[in-house]
Amino acid sequence: DTEVTQTPKHLVMGMTNKKSLKCEQHMGHRAMYWYKQKAKKPPELMFVYSYEKLSINESVPSRFSPECPNSSLLNLHLHALQPEDSALYLCASSPGTSGPYNEQFFGPGTRLTVL
Amino acid sequence: GQSLEQPSEVTAVEGAIVQINCTYQTSGFYGLSWYQQHDGGAPTFLSYNGLDGLEETGRFSSFLSRSDSYGYLLLQELQMKDSASYFCESRDTGRRALTFGSGTRLQVQP
Repeated sequence: DTEVTQTPKHLVMGMTNKKSLKCEQHMGHRAMYWYKQKAKKPPELMFVYSYEKLSINESVPSRFSPECPNSSLLNLHLHALQPEDSALYLCASSPGTSGPYNEQFFGPGTRLTVL
Repeated sequence: GQSLEQPSEVTAVEGAIVQINCTYQTSGFYGLSWYQQHDGGAPTFLSYNGLDGLEETGRFSSFLSRSDSYGYLLLQELQMKDSASYFCESRDTGRRALTFGSGTRLQVQP
């Protein structure tokens, strides 16, 4: 299995809602990532988990809360989002976090709309 | 911090060769990766340069010059399906953070 899966594909939520994005990989990768991507822009790194521990938080607002329950799963909990948070949220995994082991495999993304 | 600059758009015809450049400024540097992203799709990995020189993978090649803080992706025998956005990506050794370049939209015309 060489793919990263993400659910849901689309999500519409109000500013007072709480929702979660899910990501799963079964490639034995030890690093997992959350990115945010706006239209016609590059992906922006949000969080990196390495060996199930949060290793990078790119100053993301606390309304985004990541969780890594085990080496195959990555969640992103959303609460009190703003309309400007509407974007494509991409999950990725890589075998490691350095050199050629940094090749990232991306999931198809969750298209999030905040009303 | 890091910044990686790319041309915003490149247009070429089928069968041609195109080069997409990436110049970077980083406080530390691990290597340069390249990703392709079709509209509505996820980025897919194309190549990685950890050392100076050329890496070749089929129709795609990538080059790195650390002394010039510069790299490029070379696409040969262009096909219509190569129309996509291309991003360079690098890791900052100091912060271990990842940054994608600004992205280059390639349009392949018949």
